[in-house]
Amino acid sequence: QSVLTQPPSTSGTPGQTITISCSGSTSNIGTNAVSWYQQLPGTAPKLLIFSNNLRPSGVHDGVSGSKSGTSASLAISGLQSADEADYYCASWDDSLNGPVFGGGTKVTVL
Amino acid sequence: QVQLQESGPGLVKPSETLSLTCAVSRGSISTYYWTWMRQSPGKGLEWIGHVYYSGSTQYNPSLRSRVTISVDTSKNHFSLRLSSVTAADTAVYYCARGTHQMSVRWFDPWGQGTLVTVSS
Repeated sequence: QSVLTQPPSTSGTPGQTITISCSGSTSNIGTNAVSWYQQLPGTAPKLLIFSNNLRPSGVHDGVSGSKSGTSASLAISGLQSADEADYYCASWDDSLNGPVFGGGTKVTVL
Repeated sequence: QVQLQESGPGLVKPSETLSLTCAVSRGSISTYYWTWMRQSPGKGLEWIGHVYYSGSTQYNPSLRSRVTISVDTSKNHFSLRLSSVTAADTAVYYCARGTHQMSVRWFDPWGQGTLVTVSS
């Protein structure tokens, strides 16, 4: 059971916008920033969003993040087949004194 | 662009100690903090622990009694030891660099990961 809660799966057609939610608590998302990671099949996670809504260089501007209270969300607009992957949210947890992750959301492009 | 590469045995017997090393290239290990994560087959990500370049460590309480993470700045690498392993420790193990700015933390880059199977 993951500390952060994400939907197990979502899907969309090419060009659509999808959103992935991530729910936590006051000891993690409520107090600390959220990051998001993309994991393509058979590869390592890759940083997609940090500090709630900042994109590292190389991540396309169709990817955006937001945070409100103890929840966060990731949006991917202009969905492409290359976006098929598992997506994980993460935040520092002050009770654990370490990072916690969501269980991951599998994105399927129909 | 800094790169991380895990190395170590892919097969460990039950009750023995898992040992992995993460080599840091194209960058110095003497800043940031350095983390081990793992992902069991078909499951999500789990934080194991991390080490600062100073040598101070923090561990996941669920693994603390069995984990040791150390850093060797002269070799630009850091290591993981997990003792008394069982089949439940079978996973892909990743190393990653952690960045910390106030209440903002993130992990980038990650190593490619190495599968460790616990079996006799």
